[in-house]
Amino acid sequence: AQSVSQHNHHVILSEAASLELGCNYSYGGTVNLFWYVQYPGQHLQLLLKYFSGDPLVKGIKGFEAEFIKSKFSFNLRKPSVQWSDTAEYFCAVKGSSGSARQLTFGSGTQLTVLP
Amino acid sequence: DAGVTQSPTHLIKTRGQQVTLRCSPKSGHDTVSWYQQALGQGPQFIFQYYEEEERQRGNFPDRFSGHQFPNYSSELNVNALLLGDSALYLCASSLGGLGDGYTFGSGTRLTVV
Repeated sequence: AQSVSQHNHHVILSEAASLELGCNYSYGGTVNLFWYVQYPGQHLQLLLKYFSGDPLVKGIKGFEAEFIKSKFSFNLRKPSVQWSDTAEYFCAVKGSSGSARQLTFGSGTQLTVLP
Repeated sequence: DAGVTQSPTHLIKTRGQQVTLRCSPKSGHDTVSWYQQALGQGPQFIFQYYEEEERQRGNFPDRFSGHQFPNYSSELNVNALLLGDSALYLCASSLGGLGDGYTFGSGTRLTVV
């Protein structure tokens, strides 16, 4: 089965700062990769996803992520964060066969953006 | 609007009791997955239902069981509740359980006392 590691548990930034949240996964086969966001009191929402093709994917609200297969990484980036980006961010992976065909989440990164 | 409806939103139960949580999937979706999210943790996969059968299961004991109805709605049942079962239970729906990410509900907050 696959696993996901998010190294940053809590990140604090000032508005307009650049953001990069790390995500590494372990799975030997083809993967689908996702970033979800959970705003306070709200449901999980899909930010972006990678299935195949261009490893640089763009999502909603100015977020993007780069899939680096050799590093088993799928880091989330945003050039300039806003106060409204304060939320918890989850990286998730879905494998291609057997028990891996379930969406597996990392432990999340809490992002706090100071005004 | 999440498109996925879960009920109830909050629930308090006593240790040893049984609980049933409900989920209505997004219109057009036929697959329901259940997750447990403990405080400060990422969602953990419990099981997935498709065509009224459990298709995949995570590392959860048999005290956790489920059901899917012909209209694709689903129930999660937990027997013999433990304090450690206190968590946010999330339901996610998808089409065929494949590909295009899942749509999550807002969850049911279960507190076991």
